Amino acid sequence: GAVVSQHPSRVICKSGTSVKIECRSLDFQATTMFWYRQFPKQSLMLMATSNEGSKATYEQGVEKDKFLINHASLTLSTLTVTSAHPEDSSFYICSVIRLAQETQYFGPGTRLLVL
Amino acid sequence: AQRVTQPEKLLSVFKGAPVELKCNYSYSGSPELFWYVQYSRQRLQLLLRHISRESIKGFTADLNKGETSFHLKKPFAQEEDSAMYYCALSYGNEKLTFGTGTRLTIIP
Repeated sequence: GAVVSQHPSRVICKSGTSVKIECRSLDFQATTMFWYRQFPKQSLMLMATSNEGSKATYEQGVEKDKFLINHASLTLSTLTVTSAHPEDSSFYICSVIRLAQETQYFGPGTRLLVL
Repeated sequence: AQRVTQPEKLLSVFKGAPVELKCNYSYSGSPELFWYVQYSRQRLQLLLRHISRESIKGFTADLNKGETSFHLKKPFAQEEDSAMYYCALSYGNEKLTFGTGTRLTIIP
């Protein structure tokens, strides 16, 4: 069964609004989650590392004030795209590390379309 | 900086024929290499990793440090192998750098 869930699976919003995407670890507690984005026909690009109980670590070129990450519990991380613009339209995917297996499990992704 | 290159965006192979998906990497440290697969309408999932030296669904991949390659191979392709394949490199704290992916189509 699914180990990681994401909600919503797709969202359409108007330019200027904020959108929150949830990533849940269903079977185990996760101190670390990752957020990726994928443009059409391109690869997954790591955006940030979400750490439970502390600030997220962002990759170079990713605006932390634009993409707010909150990892408030061991099973939930949220990514908020603030003041979304059409260029933020993308596929956002989270992953969770299962330390015992040293394996990353990926969520099904959230497709964001900003009009 | 780390980089993963998959030179083929598309690859079509007849059923029963051998498959090889190419992956080259650049990284100054000691990398950990992975192959991930995404079947139609499914999420990304781990296929294999070089440290485990396993054969998963008939696929194998050998890390060649001299050629900085981690090609994925299968001797006899099956229709269910049709999918998107991503090579990935891990660099510290489990972070992954992905290649651009190869869409493999098995022709019946």
